[in-house]
Amino acid sequence: QKEVEQNSGPLSVPEGAIASLNCTYSDRGSQSFFWYRQYSGKSPELIMSIYSNGDKEDGRFTAQLNKASQYVSLLIRDSQPSDSATYLCAVNMINNFNKFYFGSGTKLNVKP
Amino acid sequence: DGGITQSPKYLFRKEGQNVTLSCEQNLNHDAMYWYRQDPGQGLRLIYYSQIVNDFQKGDIAEGYSVSREKKESFPLTVTSAQKNPTAFYLCATRGNRTYERQYFGPGTRLTVT
Repeated sequence: QKEVEQNSGPLSVPEGAIASLNCTYSDRGSQSFFWYRQYSGKSPELIMSIYSNGDKEDGRFTAQLNKASQYVSLLIRDSQPSDSATYLCAVNMINNFNKFYFGSGTKLNVKP
Repeated sequence: DGGITQSPKYLFRKEGQNVTLSCEQNLNHDAMYWYRQDPGQGLRLIYYSQIVNDFQKGDIAEGYSVSREKKESFPLTVTSAQKNPTAFYLCATRGNRTYERQYFGPGTRLTVT
């Protein structure tokens, strides 16, 4: 079982809709959770980080964390074609903040 | 991300040759990482270093070697023992705060023919 799992997609949504990206993790010792956006051929860029149960909002982006269900999600409101990219979920552990585990990424297509 | 440089951006080598990828940072971060990414895939950890003169193997270390002689530098050598070296290589760093994120360099695309 992989430490971090994501649906590879592609997830297609129309412009202006809400895109919902999901990530599950296997280790209950997971402490910090990160969403990165990666355009083709480029390096990942941080979109959101979350550490506590609940929701965290930043502009059009909302991260949701449920540690009991070992589930973290990213909602993108008013999706734009420029949001089309691969979204990577990353997790690190309470016993080693220097070790990160990445999901394989979900490809999002926002259609004009 | 600013503060991390990887050179060159594109690298071409013949099969059987060793090649060294450069990663330099001016963020004063202790931890540095090398990841490999294949088309349509996530990031796979090759090696990471938490402090100068120390490093640990990641999930796919075979065929790779690293050194960490200076805090600012963490070069990766892709040896001829690596069966499928063609990939996108990403260097990352992490600061020392508890919930610190990773910062990524621009990447080096290596093509071996």
